[in-house]
Amino acid sequence: KQEVTQIPAALSVPEGENLVLNCSFTDSAIYNLQWFRQDPGKGLTSLLLIQSSQREQTSGRLNASLDKSSGRSTLYIAASQPGDSATYLCAATTNDYKLSFGAGTTVTVRA
Amino acid sequence: DAGVIQSPRHEVTEMGQEVTLRCKPISGHNSLFWYRQTMMRGLELLIYFNNNVPIDDSGMPEDRFSAKMPNASFSTLKIQPSEPRDSAVYFCASSFDRGVSYGYTFGSGTRLTVV
Repeated sequence: KQEVTQIPAALSVPEGENLVLNCSFTDSAIYNLQWFRQDPGKGLTSLLLIQSSQREQTSGRLNASLDKSSGRSTLYIAASQPGDSATYLCAATTNDYKLSFGAGTTVTVRA
Repeated sequence: DAGVIQSPRHEVTEMGQEVTLRCKPISGHNSLFWYRQTMMRGLELLIYFNNNVPIDDSGMPEDRFSAKMPNASFSTLKIQPSEPRDSAVYFCASSFDRGVSYGYTFGSGTRLTVV
């Protein structure tokens, strides 16, 4: 069974600092890895999708890397802003087409 | 595109009552997933459909839960009878190809409170 872990569980940084969020998974037989953002009381918004054959994906200030062999993905957010405050979840699409989620990292960016 | 649409957004019901949650996937998507989110257990997959057929319902907690997808544009998750421990946020997600190429799109969720 795929286990997805996110460290740290919570992170607080001053505005302008770069954010590094870590995600690890136990089974490397995945189709892709997806990063989501969740604001309090809201749904999940997809940020980036990395296919298993890719090493990274970029969207604006966001960059996600994937090392399938070591079971790790990292989400980098450059020059953080208070609007980046949210919970970030990573999820792996396993080879039985299920999406396994980590518990999330709650980010607070202080103005 | 309107995205994945769930209704109602909030539901408060008394223990023992029947609850029906609704989901309209994105047009053209052929996979649909129901998830439940709680503080204690995070996001859990309940059931998923591919081409309107239930593929895996191993996450459905017990017989009180049932899900249907009568056509490609509508799915329901029913709880009968409801219990306080069913209180959670229920999300519906859809995908074009079981999430392999384009990932998943989630709805805004239904917050269920059973008192």
